[in-house]
This record gives sequence, structure tokens and C-alpha cells, in this order.
Amino acid sequence: AQKVTQAQTEISVVEKEDVTLDCVYETRDTTYYLFWYKQPPSGELVFLIRRNSFDEQNEISGRYSWNFQKSTSSFNFTITASQVVDSAVYFCALRPYSGAGSYQLTFGKGTKLSVIP
Amino acid sequence: DGGITQSPKYLFRKEGQNVTLSCEQNLNHDAMYWYRQDPGQGLRLIYYSQIVNDFQKGDIAEGYSVSREKKESFPLTVTSAQKNPTAFYLCASTGPRAGYTFGSGTRLTVV
Repeated sequence: AQKVTQAQTEISVVEKEDVTLDCVYETRDTTYYLFWYKQPPSGELVFLIRRNSFDEQNEISGRYSWNFQKSTSSFNFTITASQVVDSAVYFCALRPYSGAGSYQLTFGKGTKLSVIP
Repeated sequence: DGGITQSPKYLFRKEGQNVTLSCEQNLNHDAMYWYRQDPGQGLRLIYYSQIVNDFQKGDIAEGYSVSREKKESFPLTVTSAQKNPTAFYLCASTGPRAGYTFGSGTRLTVV
């Protein structure tokens, strides 16, 4: 069974502060994909990143960065110099790389980020 | 542009009524999914389909039904057996080793 835990239910930061959203996962698969999605108030889920389990290189995209540590089963997401437009619910998700059920995505419960001007 | 279209955006259901939510994709994806989201909750899988004319129950399938007669379409019917249908419903599709593409959702309310 797969499980994704986002322990932070809600986070509030003041604009321009850095913030890290935590994600811890459990899986018996040796290869898998990890994802982060953003859900703004409009409701649609916006894809942010996909990471393969065999690639532990951290990634930076503008103000966003992701820290993948297979040894601790964590895939944390940091927003640098947060902006009001970053206010949203962020979901971490996991899916197997192959085999039965490889299409199925398991989501965490999400972290609601509020950036205060 | 390719994507997923969900309709309607808002839907109201009376007690005892069946309603159908539409989901259409033009991404040529094989797999399609329906998720339910309740306030403050993550996404829970209702049904999924990996190929035409085949679908599988997810974690919360009771009170819902689906069909997959065409690759592009995966409608979800919320039946009267679903006692608490008020929620936000998201449709998604994916190809092999790809991320999901989501629709913009349908907000269903019981009146």
C-alpha cells in the first residue's frame, strides 16, 4: 500500500518569507514517481513537478525548489520569497513506476498556504 | 490545445435524483480517473479506467457509476444511493509514465 503524508495542514507566512512544505511517503515499490500539484481557489490542480525515484538530484525552478531524499522518504517543496499569488493548497502525490496500479496516483491531504501581504 | 473539459462547473441535485458529470479529453490518454474532494481533505479516488469498455472501483465507489464507451469520454453518474454527494469532483487523465492532467472540476451541491 502507498501512503503520502503532509503533516502541515495550514501554514501562514508573511510575503517575502521562505516557506517549506513537507511531504513524507511510504511505498514498497523500488521505483516510483513523486509529484507536487498546486490548487488555487479556482479549484483546478496545476502540475508543478514530477520526480523519478532513481533521480535524487534536487531541482530549482525560479522561486521553487524541491529536495528529494530517498533515505528519509521525503520530497519537500520550498518557495523562496513567497508572494500572495502563491496562496493555494499544495498536494504531494506518489505513483508506481510500472506494473499493476502504475497509473494510480496517491495524494496527501494537502497543505493550505496563505501568504499575507 | 489539448486538455480535459469538465461540465458543468456547478451542479445542483435534488434528493433522490441521479446526475451525470461530464469529462472529455483530447490528449489521447488511455487512462482516466474521477476523484472526489471534500473541504480540507485530499483527493479520494472514485473510479478509474485504463482502457475503453473497462473500469475499476476506487476507494469510494459506492453510490457512483461510470462508463467508458469512448477513449475521450468518462462520465460519472452520482446516483441517489450516494447519501452525501456534496463535494468537488475532479476528472483526470494520464498516459504511460506521465503526470496527471486535471480538469477544472465540477462542484456538486444537494439542494
